[in-house]
Amino acid sequence: AQKVTQAQTEISVVEKEDVTLDCVYETRDTTYYLFWYKQPPSGELVFLIRRNSFDEQNEISGRYSWNFQKSTSSFNFTITASQVVDSAVYFCALSERDGGSQGNLIFGKGTKLSVKP
Amino acid sequence: DTEVTQTPKHLVMGMTNKKSLKCEQHMGHRAMYWYKQKAKKPPELMFVYSYEKLSINESVPSRFSPECPNSSLLNLHLHALQPEDSALYLCASSQRTGSYNEQFFGPGTRLTVL
Repeated sequence: AQKVTQAQTEISVVEKEDVTLDCVYETRDTTYYLFWYKQPPSGELVFLIRRNSFDEQNEISGRYSWNFQKSTSSFNFTITASQVVDSAVYFCALSERDGGSQGNLIFGKGTKLSVKP
Repeated sequence: DTEVTQTPKHLVMGMTNKKSLKCEQHMGHRAMYWYKQKAKKPPELMFVYSYEKLSINESVPSRFSPECPNSSLLNLHLHALQPEDSALYLCASSQRTGSYNEQFFGPGTRLTVL
C-alpha cells in the first residue's frame, strides 16, 4: 500500500540553525514521483520540488536541499541557515504512475516548522 | 503567470444556504482539483477534472457539487452543508492528470458552516 510518513509533527529552531525534515514513503511502483510543498499560515500550498524515482541525484536550490535515497525510501528536506519566513507546515507527497492512487498526490501528515528570531 | 486564484477568501454560511466557491487559472492547465483540508491535517482530494470532464469523485457527499464551465474555471456549489464541513477548500491545477505533473494550488477559501 502507498503511504507517506513524516514522523516529525513539529520542529522549533532558532534562526540561522539548519533543520532537516524527514519523509519516508512506501510504494510498490517502480515509477513514482515525490514532492515537497510548503504551506505558510496564509494557507496556500507552494510547490517546492518534484523528484522522479529514477533520479537519485540530490538537489540544492539556494538554502534548500533535498536528499533522495531509494535504499531507505526517504526523501529528506534540509533548510540551511533557517529564517523566520521559513515558518510553515511542510508536506511531503507521493504520486504513483501505476498504483491505486491514479496518479494523485498522497500526502504525509505534515511537519510544522517554527523558526524563532 | 503561475497563479491559481480562488474566491471568496472567507465564507460563512448557514446550513440551509446555497453558495459557490470559484477557482480560476490561466496557465493553460487541463486538470483541475478540489481538496478539503481540516485544521492540522493534510489536504484530502475531493474531485478531479480532466479536460473539463469529471474524472474522479472521491465519494464526496452530494451536498458538494462541482462544475467546470471551461478549461480555466472550476466551481464548487455548496448546499445544505453541515458544521463538520467547515474547512479550508483548496483548488489546484496541473498541466494534465498523471503522476509526473506538479499541482499548483490556490490560496483557498476558509469555509465556516454555522
